[in-house]
Amino acid sequence: LAKTTQPISMDSYEGQEVNITCSHNNIATNDYITWYQQFPSQGPRFIIQGYKTKVTNEVASLFIPADRKSSTLSLPRVSLSDTAVYYCLVGDKDRGSTLGRLYFGRGTQLTVWP
Amino acid sequence: DSGVTQTPKHLITATGQRVTLRCSPRSGDLSVYWYQQSLDQGLQFLIQYYNGEERAKGNILERFSAQQFPDLHSELNLSSLELGDSALYFCASSVGYTGSYEQYFGPGTRLTVT
Repeated sequence: LAKTTQPISMDSYEGQEVNITCSHNNIATNDYITWYQQFPSQGPRFIIQGYKTKVTNEVASLFIPADRKSSTLSLPRVSLSDTAVYYCLVGDKDRGSTLGRLYFGRGTQLTVWP
Repeated sequence: DSGVTQTPKHLITATGQRVTLRCSPRSGDLSVYWYQQSLDQGLQFLIQYYNGEERAKGNILERFSAQQFPDLHSELNLSSLELGDSALYFCASSVGYTGSYEQYFGPGTRLTVT
């Protein structure tokens, strides 16, 4: 079964770059790795997803090594409003014709200080 | 606003009772996912439907069931409720069902079992 591991918490200051790594083994071969942001009492919000190497959008970058056993979410120049919980989401390996599962990590609480 | 709606927002009920949570996906999305979020368990994937069919299954209890209707809205039925079922229940939707997990989450239903 797939399993994800993330740091429980991280602290940063405004304007700094933050990198959050998620370790995930046994993930589905053809699935993307997806990251979400969640504020208290709200549903998670999609940030970015990737399959291999590097993906960048207007809010973040995602680095995925060739073995796909981990991924790193990079948030450039964080602000106070980036204080939230960040989750990685992966799918089970070799789902094939069987019904697979999705796994959210336990999440990383990022706190940005002024 | 993600475009995903969930009703009701809050639900308070007693142990042993049965409740139904409702979700309407974003326009054009064919996949619906259900998640349970509690303080001690984090975000737990329950089940996924695609265009009316069950596609993936997580740690969904036998007391819980779900379905997706022809108009693509979905319902999660929780029966024989226990105190431990108190949690936030999120519905999410996406375009497809394999590979990409770019999901859009609703605001959630907070269930309190007394």
